[in-house]
Parts: sequence; C-alpha cells; structure tokens
Amino acid sequence: QSVLTQPPSASGTPGQRVAISCSGSNSNIGRNAVNWYQQLPGTAPKLLIYSSNQSPSGVPDRFSGSKSGTSASLAVSGLQSEDEADYYCAAWDDSLNAYVFGTGTQVTVL
Amino acid sequence: QVQVVQSGSEVKKPGASVKVSCRASGYVFTDYYIHWVRQAPGQGLEWMGMINPSGGTTRYAQKFQGRVTMTRDTSTSTVYMELSGLRSDDTAIYYCSREKHGNQYFDPWGQGTLVTVSS
Repeated sequence: QSVLTQPPSASGTPGQRVAISCSGSNSNIGRNAVNWYQQLPGTAPKLLIYSSNQSPSGVPDRFSGSKSGTSASLAVSGLQSEDEADYYCAAWDDSLNAYVFGTGTQVTVL
Repeated sequence: QVQVVQSGSEVKKPGASVKVSCRASGYVFTDYYIHWVRQAPGQGLEWMGMINPSGGTTRYAQKFQGRVTMTRDTSTSTVYMELSGLRSDDTAIYYCSREKHGNQYFDPWGQGTLVTVSS
C-alpha cells in the first residue's frame, strides 16, 4: 500500500498543460525532497525531477516540479506524444525509515 | 558513462531463492548507495532496501525483513540482492539504482531483471 497518493490517470491534447498531484504526510513530503520518475512503456524508470524542483541535464524544461507542505506537483507544459508514460512521485519517509513511491499516474496524450 | 547493469531473467519454483546482480561502472562505486526496487506486473514501484557499498551496511523495508539479503563485492563493483522463500506474488521486475549519499534520489536505473515464480 503506497504512502503517497496520485491520481491514477491524466490526459491532454498535444500542446496542452497537464499537472499531476502527489499527496503525502509530515513524515515524508513534509520533511524531505520530492522526486519524480518517468517510466515509458516497457522500460526502466528514469529520474525526471529531483529535490522537488530540479531537472537533471537532458530533461526538457517543459517538465517542472513544485512542493508545498505535504503535497507536490509535476507539471508538463506543451504536452507531446512521447510524454505518454507512467509518472511516480517519491520521497524518503522518516517514520517508516523507507523510501516511498506514489501510486503512479498514467498520462495519455489524446 | 555511468551504468548499472543487471543480470538476466530468472525462473524459480515457489520456496526457492533468487540472487540478482547489479554491476556498476563509470563512477566511484563506494560513493553511492545502491537501492533495489521491484514492480509486479501492471503494478507500481516498491522499494525493497539499500546497501552502502562502502561499509556493506544495509537497510531493508519492513515487508522484506528476514527474506532479503543485499551484499556487495567491491573488487567487481557489484551488488547482489537475494530473496528467499519465493512466492508467486514475488513475480516482478527487480531494478537496482544508485543514490549519492544523502541525495535521496535514484539515477540511473538498471535495465531490470524479470523474476518469475511458478511451479
């Protein structure tokens, strides 16, 4: 059972903006940085956003992250067909002493 | 370039054990933790635990305590994850990934190892 809650799905047409929420608690998002991973179909996850709002080199700047209190959000602006994937938020949980992942959100480009 | 490369697929019978390897290259092996994450078919990501290759200390998710063992071989920059008492619901893709000490994010990830548990 995941500790971080995400909507199961999100969708948009090419060029639109899509936002994915991630809800946690004081022991995880409230105290630690949030990271986002993108998993394209049939592939391993890939780091998309780290430390809540930082992008690794090579990640398009249309992906952005934010955090407020015990929630975080990933935004994809200028949606493209290659953005169809599953997206997971994640953070360290100080109470569980474990790394926890969100339930995952499947993004569909209509 | 930085890589973590995993061993190949495994098929095991219920009750058996499986040992998956994760070989690191392109960076100082002892500067990064190695984490293991698994994904059952059609399901989300589940953290299993981590090892510090520098001293060999481990931390396991409570769910896997007593069934998982993570070890490392610094001479070959390889980490191993052994899961015992396999059940059908252990069928999953197992991933390794690295974390620079204290950064709390994983990058890059291995290609994954499919472990199938079937009688």
